[in-house]
Amino acid sequence: SQTIHQWPATLVQPVGSPLSLECTVEGTSNPNLYWYRQAAGRGLQLLFYSVGIGQISSEVPQNLSASRPQDRQFILSSKKLLLSDSGFYLCAFGREGMGNTIYFGEGSWLTVV
Amino acid sequence: EDQVTQSPEALRLQEGESSSLNCSYTVSGLRGLFWYRQDPGKGPEFLFTLYSAGEEKEKERLKATLTKKESFLHITAPKPEDSATYLCAVQAGTASKLTFGTGTRLQVTL
Repeated sequence: SQTIHQWPATLVQPVGSPLSLECTVEGTSNPNLYWYRQAAGRGLQLLFYSVGIGQISSEVPQNLSASRPQDRQFILSSKKLLLSDSGFYLCAFGREGMGNTIYFGEGSWLTVV
Repeated sequence: EDQVTQSPEALRLQEGESSSLNCSYTVSGLRGLFWYRQDPGKGPEFLFTLYSAGEEKEKERLKATLTKKESFLHITAPKPEDSATYLCAVQAGTASKLTFGTGTRLQVTL
């Protein structure tokens, strides 16, 4: 069965510090990978998605970037965090053969102070 | 641009009191409509996918239906453990990404 792992679960970072959130998928190959952000009282906002190694599409201009160094690894990064980057970040994966369904990780809470 | 609107924003039910959550959508070329359950501080948990108008799916006390403009999530005789935020999302055109509504927070009390 397919599983998705995301870490760290919680982190508190000072303004101006770097960020790295990691996500790995097991049990499937060549998945589509996604990073979403969920702000309090708002829906999930798609930040980045990837259909293959090194292929990244950005949905919204922002202070963040994403990379896919391996088939089942997706990384969300920032060089200098802003207060507005605080939120709940969710990694997700899907495959066309899985009925187009997208499955989510447990999420990472980021607080920028 | 794809749009998804969920109502009500919040719903409080007594145990056993059945109700429905609404998800209305505007998309070009619907590929699928998805329902997820999200507990506080957790990632969304997949419930159902509906692909065409008239389709229905059931899981325990939940039943999802789809028309050309909206979807309903019917909750029959809910229990306190059904308390969660229920999210609706659409997948449209050739893209696999999901566009989400803001969710309905359901609280079921004894």
